[in-house]
Amino acid sequence: SQTIHQWPATLVQPVGSPLSLECTVEGTSNPNLYWYRQAAGRGLQLLFYSVGIGQISSEVPQNLSASRPQDRQFILSSKKLLLSDSGFYLCAWSGLAGFSVSSYNEQFFGPGTRLTVL
Amino acid sequence: DAKTTQPNSMESNEEEPVHLPCNHSTISGTDYIHWYRQLPSQGPEYVIHGLTSNVNNRMASLAIAEDRKSSTLILHRATLRDAAVYYCILRDPIGTDKLIFGTGTRLQVFP
Repeated sequence: SQTIHQWPATLVQPVGSPLSLECTVEGTSNPNLYWYRQAAGRGLQLLFYSVGIGQISSEVPQNLSASRPQDRQFILSSKKLLLSDSGFYLCAWSGLAGFSVSSYNEQFFGPGTRLTVL
Repeated sequence: DAKTTQPNSMESNEEEPVHLPCNHSTISGTDYIHWYRQLPSQGPEYVIHGLTSNVNNRMASLAIAEDRKSSTLILHRATLRDAAVYYCILRDPIGTDKLIFGTGTRLQVFP
């Protein structure tokens, strides 16, 4: 069966410090991978998605970057955190990479990382 | 991406049916209607999806209007575990599987 891991579960960082959040998926190959952020009391915002190794699409301009160094590894980074980067960060995967028409691959979400920037 | 409109919150009593509405008047002919829910402090989970016909699964039913400009997620017997934020999302199947979440409906279930 497939599982998705995220770490750390919680993180408190000072403004201006770097960030690295990691997400790994087990039990599947060539997944689509996603990073979302949820600010307090808000909906989920899609930050990045990836359809393959080294392929990253950014949905919103921001202080963050993403990388996919391996097929089932997705990393969210920042060189200097801002207060506005605080939030609940969620990684997700879906089944088949690339083009899908009639079939639907539901997204499976990880447990999330709660980041507080002080 | 076409937009969806949902009530901010709804309430229900345990064991009663719940009808969660969603308006999507700008839906295109190829958009699928998806529902996810997010329990407190957890990531969202898939509930159901459909295109034109009503759909049923073990979690819920999805009723889609004939003109597809609205849909309703139906929980047949609400339980306390169904208390969550429910998101109605439109997805164009051409391209990636990315989902654009709105603010959803917060469902409260009372014993």
